[in-house]
Amino acid sequence: ELKVEQNPLFLSMQEGKNYTIYCNYSTTSDRLYWYRQDPGKSLESLFVLLSNGAVKQEGRLMASLDTKARLSTLHITAAVHDLSATYFCAVERDDKIIFGKGTRLHILP
Amino acid sequence: DTGVSQDPRHKITKRGQNVTFRCDPISEHNRLYWYRQTLGQGPEFLTYFQNEAQLEKSRLLSDRFSAERPKGSFSTLEIQHTEQGDSAMYLCASSLALGYNEQFFGPGTRLTVL
Repeated sequence: ELKVEQNPLFLSMQEGKNYTIYCNYSTTSDRLYWYRQDPGKSLESLFVLLSNGAVKQEGRLMASLDTKARLSTLHITAAVHDLSATYFCAVERDDKIIFGKGTRLHILP
Repeated sequence: DTGVSQDPRHKITKRGQNVTFRCDPISEHNRLYWYRQTLGQGPEFLTYFQNEAQLEKSRLLSDRFSAERPKGSFSTLEIQHTEQGDSAMYLCASSLALGYNEQFFGPGTRLTVL
């Protein structure tokens, strides 16, 4: 059974700081996704990582994938308040996407 | 707006009542997924369709739940004899079954069972 674990589950940080969210998954997968969710809203796709060593960046967010370690990271550089949200890692296998529990990120001004 | 749409956005019902939700996918997408998300959790897969065929159902989908996609376009999710534990956000997503399967999510239907 494919399991996805994120840590930390909750992160409170100061503006301007850097931090990393980790996502481990239990079996081989086809693709890995990162989503953002604001309170009461649906999910917004941030990144799709397709292969080992993939790195993608958008603004202050950078995602990477190590398929051998079954690990993805979402790195936040110089955090700003607008990045406060819940971030989900999700892994696809056999046409299904399995989500982690999410990391609730709270950035203090 | 050409994204995934869901109706209604909110539904409050009494325990024991039946409810039906609708999802309209992005028009050229042939795959349609249903997820359930409870507070503080990630979305959990319920079922998915490719065109009108329902290809997989999760064990989470009890006999009280049924989903259809009769013409391969919109889909409905019905919950019979609702229970308080059914209270959740029900999310629909669609994708193209070509290349990678990036799913685009609708705004969700928030169900509250009293």
